[in-house]
Amino acid sequence: TQLLEQSPQFLSIQEGENLTVYCNSSSVFSSLQWYRQEPGEGPVLLVTVVTGGEVKKLKRLTFQFGDARKDSSLHITAAQPGDTGLYLCAGAGNNDMRFGAGTRLTVKP
Amino acid sequence: NAGVTQTPKFQVLKTGQSMTLQCAQDMNHNSMYWYRQDPGMGLRLIYYSASEGTTDKGEVPNGYNVSRLNKREFSLRLESAAPSQTSVYFCASSGRGTASSYNSPLHFGNGTRLTVT
Repeated sequence: TQLLEQSPQFLSIQEGENLTVYCNSSSVFSSLQWYRQEPGEGPVLLVTVVTGGEVKKLKRLTFQFGDARKDSSLHITAAQPGDTGLYLCAGAGNNDMRFGAGTRLTVKP
Repeated sequence: NAGVTQTPKFQVLKTGQSMTLQCAQDMNHNSMYWYRQDPGMGLRLIYYSASEGTTDKGEVPNGYNVSRLNKREFSLRLESAAPSQTSVYFCASSGRGTASSYNSPLHFGNGTRLTVT
C-alpha cells in the first residue's frame, strides 16, 4: 500500500488542454514536493509546499497543498508536449522522503 | 558541477552474483539515499544516511547493504542478487540534516538499470 496515492496513474491529452493530477494521503506531512522525471533520467524537483492551503505557481503549473497538509494537486494550463513526463509527489518524514507511484502524462501535439 | 554521479549505468547479473553500485555527490550534502523504482510502485527507499557515519534502513532494505564511505560517497551492495532485485536504482542527496533544512530537495543521479537473470 502506497503512503501517497497519486491519480490518475496515466493521462494522455492533446496540446492546449488543461489537466489536474492529485496526490492524497491519510498522513500529515511537514512538507510535500513535486518532481518531474523524464525517461532515462532521475526526478527533478519542481516545487516544495510547506504551509496548509499554500498555492505556488511555476509558469503554467499551479501547485496546491491541502489545508490539512495531507493532499496536494498539480494543475497544468494549456499543456504542451514538453510537459510530457512522470510527475511524482513526495512527502517529508523525519529523515526521509516517501514517494507516490506517479502520474504518467503524455501531451500529444 | 556534476551533481550526483552513479556508476554503472547498466548492469546484468546472474542470480547469486554480487555487485556494488557507486554514488558520489559534489554538493557537500549531508544526507544521501538509495531508492529503487519499479513500474507502478514509484520510488521506494532502500537505505539512507542522514549524515556521514550513520546509515538507516528504509522501506525495502532486505538483500542490500550500504556504506557511507565519506561525505561524498554512498555505495549500495547486493551480496547475492535475486531476480526480484531487477529494478532501476537511484541515488539521491539533500542538504537535510543541516540545522536549516528538513525541506531541502532531493538531487538525483540518472540511475543504474540492473537486470538479474
